[in-house]
Amino acid sequence: DIQLTQSPSSLSASVGDTVTITCRASQGIDGYLAWYQQKPGNAPKLLIYAGSYLKSGVPPRFSGRRSETDFTLTISSLQPEDVGTYYCQRYNIAPFTFGQGTKLEIK
Amino acid sequence: QVQVMESGGGVVQPGTSLRVSCSASRFPFRNYVMHWVRQAPGKGLEWVASILYDGSSQDYTDSVKGRFTVSRDNSKDTLFLQMNYLTSEDTALYYCARGSYSGATEAFDIWGQGTRVTVSA
Repeated sequence: DIQLTQSPSSLSASVGDTVTITCRASQGIDGYLAWYQQKPGNAPKLLIYAGSYLKSGVPPRFSGRRSETDFTLTISSLQPEDVGTYYCQRYNIAPFTFGQGTKLEIK
Repeated sequence: QVQVMESGGGVVQPGTSLRVSCSASRFPFRNYVMHWVRQAPGKGLEWVASILYDGSSQDYTDSVKGRFTVSRDNSKDTLFLQMNYLTSEDTALYYCARGSYSGATEAFDIWGQGTRVTVSA
């Protein structure tokens, strides 16, 4: 099975900073990589699909970049409401593996 | 609005069974792949099972194969997860999520709030 390695596992940044989270697939996944945000006590929310496409309604400070196996989620101009845990996921075929998650805190 | 809502969770003893449900509304349920995802306390997300539009094909994560069965009733816009031989490792919040629209390959774009399953003696 294809594994997803997400890093870092946690990070702390200040309001207004730019942060980047990385997700590396053990094999090519044809760009079928999604990013989700899970705020404390809430269900996950889809942010980005196909590696770089922003879901409608998601603030443009979120962006994604893709290559064959390396994907990044960047949050620019960090806001207090961005606190939560971020997960990557492959969704082309089963098993629909998630990354381990990155917990984002505000300093 | 477009939504899914889980129900049926509870506290059960190890070795017993439980069926959880997910009711969909305001979208053509029969045209979407549907998924179950779980989250153990303090842990990350784990995909559990998926079912094709018409129920003709299912996939499962290895740890639940042979114990869990995903099914759907398209006439009632409802998804099910039958869980047998439950162990403490199955204790989690179980989410229902909408997947691909007919013929496409799409991420999980609609999630419920989850139903909690606790397996404890």
